[in-house]
Amino acid sequence: GENVEQHPSTLSVQEGDSAVIKCTYSDSASNYFPWYKQELGKRPQLIIDIRSNVGEKKDQRIAVTLNKTAKHFSLHITETQPEDSAVYFCAAHDQGGSEKLVFGKGTKLTVNP
Amino acid sequence: EPEVTQTPSHQVTQMGQEVILRCVPISNHLYFYWYRQILGQKVEFLVSFYNNEISEKSEIFDDQFSVERPDGSNFTLKIRSTKLEDSAMYFCASSVIGANEQFFGPGTRLTVL
Repeated sequence: GENVEQHPSTLSVQEGDSAVIKCTYSDSASNYFPWYKQELGKRPQLIIDIRSNVGEKKDQRIAVTLNKTAKHFSLHITETQPEDSAVYFCAAHDQGGSEKLVFGKGTKLTVNP
Repeated sequence: EPEVTQTPSHQVTQMGQEVILRCVPISNHLYFYWYRQILGQKVEFLVSFYNNEISEKSEIFDDQFSVERPDGSNFTLKIRSTKLEDSAMYFCASSVIGANEQFFGPGTRLTVL
C-alpha cells in the first residue's frame, strides 16, 4: 500500500522567510496530493492540492510542486507570517483505486515574529 | 461556506462501554469517511462509505467498529466496547463524488478511561 514520508518533522523560520516541506510517496498510481493545515485542537483544513497532470500550482503565498518521476512533492510558503504557524500534513490518494487519503506524519511549522 | 459538523466535541467513557460519534457531512457530498488521530501522530484512515455501504476499511476498523447512515443527514461511527487505545481524535470527512477534496469536521476527542 501507499506510504508517505514527510520531512522535516519540525521547522522554525523567521517571519518573512520562506518555508519548504517535502514529502515522498511510494505508490506510482497515486495521482492526487493535498496539503492540510492543522492548528492546535482544530480540524485539518485543505490549503492546496495538486493532481499528477501538473507540475506546480500556486495560490498567493503557497505553492506546491510535484515530481512524478522521483515521487516527491513539496509545499512552499513564502513571506511567512506568525499565523502560518501550525502542523502541515501532506497526503496522497489514488483517484482510480483506494478512496482513502494516506497522510504523512506532519511538520510543525513555527514562524517567529 | 458549508462545513462538516461533528458531535460531541469531547466524549469521555469507561473502558468496555459503547460510544457513538456523530457527523453531519456537507449536504451534496456522497462519500463519507472516518479518520482518527492519536495525540501527536498522523491522521489515519478508518473507513469510507458510499451508497449506504462500506466501500473500504483499514486494519484498524475491526469488528468493534461500525458505521451507519441512519437518515439523510447523519453519519455515525460506533465503537462497541471501547479500549484504552481507542483514545484519539476522530474526524469525519466528506467529498463530492468524482472529486477528491475531502473536507474534515472539527473532530470528536474520545477519552477512554
